[in-house]
Amino acid sequence: DQQVKQNSPSLSVQEGRISILNCDYTNSMFDYFLWYKKYPAEGPTFLISISSIKDKNEDGRFTVFLNKSAKHLSLHIVPSQPGDSAVYFCAASDRSTNAGKSTFGDGTTLTVKP
Amino acid sequence: DSGVTQTPKHLITATGQRVTLRCSPRSGDLSVYWYQQSLDQGLQFLIQYYNGEERAKGNILERFSAQQFPDLHSELNLSSLELGDSALYFCASSVGTGAEQYFGPGTRLTVT
Repeated sequence: DQQVKQNSPSLSVQEGRISILNCDYTNSMFDYFLWYKKYPAEGPTFLISISSIKDKNEDGRFTVFLNKSAKHLSLHIVPSQPGDSAVYFCAASDRSTNAGKSTFGDGTTLTVKP
Repeated sequence: DSGVTQTPKHLITATGQRVTLRCSPRSGDLSVYWYQQSLDQGLQFLIQYYNGEERAKGNILERFSAQQFPDLHSELNLSSLELGDSALYFCASSVGTGAEQYFGPGTRLTVT
């Protein structure tokens, strides 16, 4: 049972436009959500996070939206740049277990075309 | 540079062998996590240590084991290797539990 799902394996957008990456989760105990970006031959890098007490968090060009009732979150990148081309992983954790382990989705490959 | 180091970067070995992957967390981070990424797949959580103690376990095979030492570095031991164990193995660290994780560059293991 995959608790974190990224249903779109890939996404292609034009430079300057908005990129929207989606993520769904099933475990209602998840209370902290993160997005990571991964370039080839490198480890994932933390991008942005959101706590379940919020519905939006913004950091520069990156905004994460959380819809708890739908168990859905999305990452918006505006405007998209060619350097944003990477694999984006959604992750979720249940901090109440005091373990901190994150459950990752399978990733979405974003391609931003010049 | 995330501050997390992993050695070796590449490892080629034969089936049935045993290997040890090493990870040094960022300075000050107490939690260490191990992940496996097989070809074109997501990150599979293997195990987490916090300040020397096992804190959470994921889909880690019995042939695999890990530990975190007093200086907080961690080792992942893979034994009786099979072809299917070929993958990228990532180590990550965080300050505590429930925080964002910082990943190392990974160790690419090839089992022939």
